[in-house]
Amino acid sequence: DVKVTQSSRYLVKRTGEKVFLECVQDMDHENMFWYRQDPGLGLRLIYFSYDVKMKEKGDIPEGYSVSREKKERFSLILESASTNQTSMYLCASIASGRSYNEQFFGPGTRLTVL
Amino acid sequence: GQQVMQIPQYQHVQEGEDFTTYCNSSTTLSNIQWYKQRPGGHPVFLIQLVKSGEVKKQKRLTFQFGEAKKNSSLHITATQTTDVGTYFCATNTGTASKLTFGTGTRLQVTL
Repeated sequence: DVKVTQSSRYLVKRTGEKVFLECVQDMDHENMFWYRQDPGLGLRLIYFSYDVKMKEKGDIPEGYSVSREKKERFSLILESASTNQTSMYLCASIASGRSYNEQFFGPGTRLTVL
Repeated sequence: GQQVMQIPQYQHVQEGEDFTTYCNSSTTLSNIQWYKQRPGGHPVFLIQLVKSGEVKKQKRLTFQFGEAKKNSSLHITATQTTDVGTYFCATNTGTASKLTFGTGTRLQVTL
C-alpha cells in the first residue's frame, strides 16, 4: 500500500528557530512536493523536486528551502521561522510518466510559530 | 501562473440534499482532478477527467468536465454525513506532475 509519512503531526517552534520538516515515501516516486494549507487559500505549492538533488520553486518559496539527498526523502527547511509561517504543511509524491497521475499525500504537519 | 477558482467556499446542507461545487479557469485545462479532505485528514484523490465533456460517476458523486475544458463540477446526490469535508479541484500545470489546486469547498452536512 502506498505510503507517505511526515516526521511530526504537530510542532511548536519559536520565532527565529530553524525548523526541519521531513517527508518520506515508500513508492519509489521521482516527484515530491511541499504545500502549505491555510483556510480560504487552498493548497499552495512551496517547492517541488523531480529527482534527487533537483528542486524547483513553487508559488510561495520565500522563507523556505528544501533538500533531497535521497529519492525517498524530501525535507522542508524554515531557516528562521516567523509567525506568518504558522500553517498546515503537506507533503505529496507522484511517479513520473504516468497517465493517471494522482498525488499521494502525507498526513500533514501542523506547525505553530510563537 | 494558472489560476483555478472554486465556488462556493463553504456550503452547509441537510442530510439528503444535493450539493455541487464548481471549478473555473480562464484558460483551457489539460485535465482536472478532484480530491477530498476529511476534517483533520489529508487530501485523497477521487478522480481525474481529461476529455472535453467527460462525465464520470462514483456512486452518488458525478464529475463533469466542460466542453471547453475550462470548468468542472462535482455533484453529490442525497448527501450523507460521511460526505463532510473539503473538496478540491486541481489541474496539471507546467511540468507534467505539478498540480495547481483550487481554493476548495468545505461541505458541512447535518441531520
